[in-house]
Amino acid sequence: GDSVTQMEGPVTLSEEAFLTINCTYTATGYPSLFWYVQYPGEGLQLLLKATKADDKGSNKGFEATYRKETTSFHLEKGSVQVSDSAVYFCAPPIYNQGGKLIFGQGTELSVKP
Amino acid sequence: DTGVSQNPRHKITKRGQNVTFRCDPISEHNRLYWYRQTLGQGPEFLTYFQNEAQLEKSRLLSDRFSAERPKGSFSTLEIQRTEQGDSAMYLCASSQEAKGEAFFGQGTRLTVV
Repeated sequence: GDSVTQMEGPVTLSEEAFLTINCTYTATGYPSLFWYVQYPGEGLQLLLKATKADDKGSNKGFEATYRKETTSFHLEKGSVQVSDSAVYFCAPPIYNQGGKLIFGQGTELSVKP
Repeated sequence: DTGVSQNPRHKITKRGQNVTFRCDPISEHNRLYWYRQTLGQGPEFLTYFQNEAQLEKSRLLSDRFSAERPKGSFSTLEIQRTEQGDSAMYLCASSQEAKGEAFFGQGTRLTVV
């Protein structure tokens, strides 16, 4: 069935390093795509979204562009901070999964000072 | 609106006891979801409601688990005869059907001793 796949973690970076977390999808095309972030001990929160092909979502210095030609929605940040240490989840819209949202393992990011 | 609220935040119980968790979604959201998350894993879908109707329940969910959303507003998740394997973070999320993103609560961390 339709799904998204993201790179496995953990990813360990030094502060101010460039971040890329890969996410690809298998579908004829989702209407929108999302990145969620989960900080330690907390629930998930929406980080950014793209609502159509070629749309770029951005928030807190993170960016992701919904690229149909490569079926990708990679998350990037130019200069990570220790406070970005968290688990990141790529996901399609809720209604494209039979009305429920099913997550993968996510990608754990650890940023060292 | 203060977002999705879950209570309690933490619960420690003895094996064999029953526990109940509560989730108050964002008021205009007609969908409500329950997930379970263990360390290092992504959220695992348990069940979801559209208004007061429970539309799907995971096959992984044993008969000891039950969820209700009696008036289409708040929801409760009850675990009967708790086992040590039930120790996890229980997350609630809500959404509007036509929109793709989900909004999560802070979770209830259950420890069964």
